[in-house]
Amino acid sequence: GQNIDQPTEMTATEGAIVQINCTYQTSGFNGLFWYQQHAGEAPTFLSYNVLDGLEEKGRFSSFLSRSKGYSYLLLKELQMKDSASYLCAVMDSNYQLIWGAGTKLIIKP
Amino acid sequence: GAVVSQHPSWVICKSGTSVKIECRSLDFQATTMFWYRQFPKQSLMLMATSNEGSKATYEQGVEKDKFLINHASLTLSTLTVTSAHPEDSSFYICSARSGRDFYEQYFGPGTRLTVT
Repeated sequence: GQNIDQPTEMTATEGAIVQINCTYQTSGFNGLFWYQQHAGEAPTFLSYNVLDGLEEKGRFSSFLSRSKGYSYLLLKELQMKDSASYLCAVMDSNYQLIWGAGTKLIIKP
Repeated sequence: GAVVSQHPSWVICKSGTSVKIECRSLDFQATTMFWYRQFPKQSLMLMATSNEGSKATYEQGVEKDKFLINHASLTLSTLTVTSAHPEDSSFYICSARSGRDFYEQYFGPGTRLTVT
């Protein structure tokens, strides 16, 4: 079966760095996505990785290792507004997105 | 950027009635639209995928006669929840994909449905 695993909840301090991990097992791979979702709102796109390595975009970076079925989202200089759920999703061989359950990130002052 | 709108943003209806939710791509043509449902503290659950002009493909366990999807044009898809029950209360989100950027889905803001 297809499976995406990520931690249910994480807590970090304002100004610090946090890494959210995601492991996956899917039928085929056409890229891995990270989305941010604030409570009661729709997800917003953060990043897309299809090749191994690190993609940096401002305070957010995303890493992918296809051989390990592993990705992480790195958030630097955390701000209170970063408190949200972070969803990992993999596009399978049918170009369908398989979603993880999301990681709720709590930022404390 | 690509914008997807949903209407209404929230709706309350009585049990047994039907509710229609619209999803529009405002500045691009959406060859494929997706409908998701999300219960509190859970991840997105794909309900169905629709391509313009053809019948929607429903995920296993989703009743096609209860959740009617119409993708009549390249900018509009509708989801009708028929004979709604309280257990249908959820957050319904649509997303759209253009033919150009096959890998990216643009999400609507979601519709909160409460069935009393």
